[in-house]
Amino acid sequence: DIVLTQSPASLAVSLGQRATISCRASESVDNYGISFMNWFQQKPGQPPKLLIYAASNQGSGVPARFSGSGSGTDFSLNIHPMEEDDTAMYFCQQSKEVPFTFGSGTKLEIK
Amino acid sequence: EVQLVESGGGLVKPGGSLKLSCAASGFTFSDYYMYWVRQTPEKRLEWVATISDGGSYTYYPDSVKGRFTISRDNAKNNLYLQMSSLKSEDTAMYYCARARWMDYWGQGTSVTVSS
Repeated sequence: DIVLTQSPASLAVSLGQRATISCRASESVDNYGISFMNWFQQKPGQPPKLLIYAASNQGSGVPARFSGSGSGTDFSLNIHPMEEDDTAMYFCQQSKEVPFTFGSGTKLEIK
Repeated sequence: EVQLVESGGGLVKPGGSLKLSCAASGFTFSDYYMYWVRQTPEKRLEWVATISDGGSYTYYPDSVKGRFTISRDNAKNNLYLQMSSLKSEDTAMYYCARARWMDYWGQGTSVTVSS
């Protein structure tokens, strides 16, 4: 199974500043020239919401302050500038192969 | 507007069975692979099952293989998850999600396995 190691577990960022969350896969999630790494945001009482798919593509209606990068085994989610509404849990997920796996999550708060 | 609405959750005893449903609307259901994902009380997300667009292919993690069965009715735009031999560790919120990118999720249905 592909294990995803997400860091940090929690993060506090000032309004207007940059938040960076990392996700490292135990093996490459690249295939057919695509990096099968996705990022989700989850707020309390709500289902996860797709932010970024295929490492760097924004989901439908996702603000431009959310961006993703990386390939192979190392990926990042950047949020800049940080806004009040971005307080949430964030998860990475690989969809290269079954079993699809998720990172353990990062709790993002306002400093 | 894409909508996914889960139902069928509840309290069940260990060893019992439960069938979850997911009603889809706002898109051509038969064009998409569909997924079940669960979130444990500790907030860990776990992929549970996948079914191909036509229903011919299904995939499961080892943790549920042989106990859970995913199916779909493309005529009714419904996705199902039949769960049997339930264990306490199956306690979770169960979500259905669309496509490999899981671009849309339902609000979830809660399953509690306890005596």
